[in-house]
Amino acid sequence: AAGVIQSPRHLIKEKRETATLKCYPIPRHDTVYWYQQGPGQDPQFLISFYEKMQSDKGSIPDRFSAQQFSDYHSELNMSSLELGDSALYFCASSPRTGGVEQFFGPGTRLTVL
Amino acid sequence: GQQVMQIPQYQHVQEGEDFTTYCNSSTTLSNIQWYKQRPGGHPVFLIQLVKSGEVKKQKRLTFQFGEAKKNSSLHITATQTTDVGTYFCTGKLIFGQGTTLQVKP
Repeated sequence: AAGVIQSPRHLIKEKRETATLKCYPIPRHDTVYWYQQGPGQDPQFLISFYEKMQSDKGSIPDRFSAQQFSDYHSELNMSSLELGDSALYFCASSPRTGGVEQFFGPGTRLTVL
Repeated sequence: GQQVMQIPQYQHVQEGEDFTTYCNSSTTLSNIQWYKQRPGGHPVFLIQLVKSGEVKKQKRLTFQFGEAKKNSSLHITATQTTDVGTYFCTGKLIFGQGTTLQVKP
């Protein structure tokens, strides 16, 4: 069965650089969620989209932005990277918004040097 | 804002022993979900509870949703080494801190 695809799987950036993470949800899933997980921590909800519109906003820094495109894939854009942004970034998708099982992708490990 | 607390943070058990993790929300939840994350892996959905006082079972796993819909528990009977991982509860997109289970064979 198709799963959530995230690219790249690993990314190394310098401080103050920008990064773009991509997420391709499971076919026919219209809701995408972004999470940030630091080492030994729980996933922190950043932002979600339903039918290409922002549906919920969590602890996403102002330096980050995200969008969902017409083909339902989503991109998380991160600017002015800081050392503290080093983390695992998960994308998850679900077939509809609100209290439904989220299918997580394998994550993108971002390292900021 | 809403907080979701889980206890214990870590639990080491001998294979065959039982294990329970508890989840408490600062606000009433419409539903609660449980996920398991293996070391180096991604969270995987286990179950969703919706009704007050609901109890659901999946083989050796028993999930319970409190009457006030503010707390939940996950109980594993006779743990196996395959149960190793971190168990998270989540309500309204807020994850608990997780309980990491280690099982000694």
